[in-house]
Amino acid sequence: ETGVTQTPRHLVMGMTNKKSLKCEQHLGHNAMYWYKQSAKKPLELMFVYSLEERVENNSVPSRFSPECPNSSHLFLHLHTLQPEDSALYLCASSQGSSTSTDTQYFGPGTRLTVL
Amino acid sequence: AQKITQTQPGMFVQEKEAVTLDCTYDTSDQSYGLFWYKQPSSGEMIFLIYQGSYDEQNATEGRYSLNFQKARKSANLVISASQLGDSAMYFCAMREGYNTDKLIFGTGTRLQVFP
Repeated sequence: ETGVTQTPRHLVMGMTNKKSLKCEQHLGHNAMYWYKQSAKKPLELMFVYSLEERVENNSVPSRFSPECPNSSHLFLHLHTLQPEDSALYLCASSQGSSTSTDTQYFGPGTRLTVL
Repeated sequence: AQKITQTQPGMFVQEKEAVTLDCTYDTSDQSYGLFWYKQPSSGEMIFLIYQGSYDEQNATEGRYSLNFQKARKSANLVISASQLGDSAMYFCAMREGYNTDKLIFGTGTRLQVFP
């Protein structure tokens, strides 16, 4: 596998379910990101991890819980979601240099539907 | 405040023609980076091209070039010799200076290439 992979690609869940999204990067990067993309809205940054430490939490509700066990893997644990949480969830990674040149590379996303 | 504006919700172009997608930005920082991403219907955000605020020449990557006009705070993407596979959403993004992991995205432009 190359680049950034995400599983599952599609997920349908009820409001009482617990599920997890997985992201894996094969680029040797040090930083990983979760974004939410809702219809007709700009991408929203949710979480940033640098060297496995969370450095950004963009006022995300606690029903979203990230986990970064190592620099190659990132999870987003979901519980008691709301229908308005239905969106495309994108994972990205970068070198993590925190400079203006640091380029983020994205995975294919998980399309989540909450019933 | 940092902001990206893409004023064209949709654009049409005929195959083999060139097309320009507009992007203006607002920042008070002297050091920043500008990025363009392509998002096909499959969902993945594909990095296309990068322009640094101190770069004196416009960035080019194959058929993609960035028309960077610093004084006007614009960073338009030019796609030459359009192909049917170029049909997608295109997002402009900006990252400011140092010690930041935030990438701010515009609302995107949907490009449709017709035969």
